[in-house]
Amino acid sequence: RKEVEQDPGPFNVPEGATVAFNCTYSNSASQSFFWYRQDCRKEPKLLMSVYSSGNEDGRFTAQLNRASQYISLLIRDSKLSDSATYLCVVNFLYTGNQFYFGTGTSLTVIP
Amino acid sequence: DAGVIQSPRHEVTEMGQEVTLRCKPISGHNSLFWYRQTMMRGLELLIYFNNNVPIDDSGMPEDRFSAKMPNASFSTLKIQPSEPRDSAVYFCASSPLSGQPNTEAFFGQGTRLTVV
Repeated sequence: RKEVEQDPGPFNVPEGATVAFNCTYSNSASQSFFWYRQDCRKEPKLLMSVYSSGNEDGRFTAQLNRASQYISLLIRDSKLSDSATYLCVVNFLYTGNQFYFGTGTSLTVIP
Repeated sequence: DAGVIQSPRHEVTEMGQEVTLRCKPISGHNSLFWYRQTMMRGLELLIYFNNNVPIDDSGMPEDRFSAKMPNASFSTLKIQPSEPRDSAVYFCASSPLSGQPNTEAFFGQGTRLTVV
């Protein structure tokens, strides 16, 4: 069983739309959570950390539900530049420092 | 800081040849990770080191793969002999082992390996 599961998409949305991605993780001992962004033929880069109380960064909102073991990312007012693959990440700190990545959700914002 | 540095950026080799991928982590980062990314399987954790010591190599696909970290500023991932199914992008990442939550991992630009 994969540590992190994501809907691969693709999501094709018009500019200005709101889009949401969900992700589930299997290990309740997971301690840190992130969303990374990966552009075509580039390395993954941190988009934002996900805090227990939920957090917002401009048009991006991340939520964590520990009871259900899922993480979400909401993008409001989508821009063409948001087109990328979004990777859900969980980190196990107590057992070492593993970072496990979901397979990613592909987003294309259409003019 | 120069970030995580990987070399080579691209490698094309013939089946059966030995391939060595190199990584220099960010200075001061205690954890180093090797990932493989393919369309079919996404980003897979192959092995990671804490303070130069391999902690978990359960993701290494088979004995043809080996990784070393002789010091805090250098790691190698070796494939011997290489096979066409090893074709993928190999990423190295590093992270501080701070004990604090929400400490991110930083990635190198990757090595695109093609085995023909």
